[in-house]
Order: sequence, then C-alpha cells, then structure tokens
Amino acid sequence: AQSVTQLDSHVSVSEGTPVLLRCNYSSSYSPSLFWYVQHPNKGLQLLLKYTSAATLVKGINGFEAEFKKSETSFHLTKPSAHMSDAAEYFCVVGREGNNYQLIWGAGTKLIIKP
Amino acid sequence: KAGVTQTPRYLIKTRGQQVTLSCSPISGHRSVSWYQQTPGQGLQFLFEYFSETQRNKGNFPGRFSGRQFSNSRSEMNVSTLELGDSALYLCASSLGRTGVGNSPLHFGNGTRLTVT
Repeated sequence: AQSVTQLDSHVSVSEGTPVLLRCNYSSSYSPSLFWYVQHPNKGLQLLLKYTSAATLVKGINGFEAEFKKSETSFHLTKPSAHMSDAAEYFCVVGREGNNYQLIWGAGTKLIIKP
Repeated sequence: KAGVTQTPRYLIKTRGQQVTLSCSPISGHRSVSWYQQTPGQGLQFLFEYFSETQRNKGNFPGRFSGRQFSNSRSEMNVSTLELGDSALYLCASSLGRTGVGNSPLHFGNGTRLTVT
C-alpha cells in the first residue's frame, strides 16, 4: 500500500538560505510523486511532479526535488529562500490500483525569517 | 483562462442543517475532485466526478454526496451537519481523470464551512 510521510511539521529558515523539506514514501510500484504548495487562505498549486522520466525534477519558483529509490525519498529543495516562499508544502504519492487516488502527506509549514 | 471557482468562500451553518457547495472547473476540464482539509486530519479525498459520473470515493459517510453537470460544474452536498464537518472544502479540476496521464490537479481557493 502506498503512503507518504513528511518528516517535519515545521521548517524555519532565514531568507537567502537553502530550503530542504523532507518526504519519504512507500509504494509497491514505481510511484507518481508530487509536491504541492498552499499559501494562506488559498488553494493548492502544483510545484512539480515525478513520473519516472528523470530523477531530478525541476518545478516552479526555483524548487526542485530528487527521486531516490534506494532511500524511498522525494525531498524538496531550493537554493535560496524568499519571503514569498512562506507557505505549507504537501508531498503526495499516487496510489495505484483500480481506484487511483492521491495520498497526501500531513504538510510542512515553511517559515522564512527576515 | 479562468481558474477553478468555488462558491461561496465562507459559510456558517448550524448543526443539523444541510449545505451545498459549488465548483466551476477550468474550461475544458472534465474531472472534478473534492477534498476536505482540517488541521487535525489534513487533506482527505472525498470523491471524484468525471463525465457526470462518480468515479472514485473516499471514506466519508453517506451524508456527503456530490454530482456533476453536463458542463462539468460540480456541487457537493452535506446533510445533517455535525460540528466535525467544519473544514475547508477544496475542489480541484483536471483535464483527464486523476492518475490518467498524470493530469495535474488545479485547485480552487476553497469554501470555509463553519458549523456551530
């Protein structure tokens, strides 16, 4: 069965420093993996998706994620944080089967310190 | 292109009442999914509609129902409201069914329902 664990509920970084949001997944098959972002009082926006084409996936707003099968991880990174990156980030795995569903992580709140 | 539109943005209801939420997908999108988001349970899948048929359903009681119209607009209904139904209800549309061709989901800003 597929599942996803976001290892940190909150991450706090200073503006201009690197961002690392951690995500581990479990899947019986080659998974589809996604990162979504939710700004306060807004819906969710797709940042990037992994669908087995390339292990390093580039997304919007300078974010990227690396699929590591041996570590069952799909961590989200950004070289330099901006104040506008403050939001909640969700790691998502696609659950295979007759009733395909997206399994959502609990979310990581990213706090940017000036 | 207009995004996903959810109405109303905010709603306050009393326990026992029923409520209907509306979602207009992006033009051309045929799939509409509904999610409930709460601080305690996170994001939980309610159901997905495609071509006016419910294609997939999460683990919610029968009080939660939905439908999709021929223009792909969707409504979600919750009957006999309980305090625990207070949540942000998010609608998402996609070109194809979720998981088919990995069509990305496009979310609306949600309807915040408060049950008192």
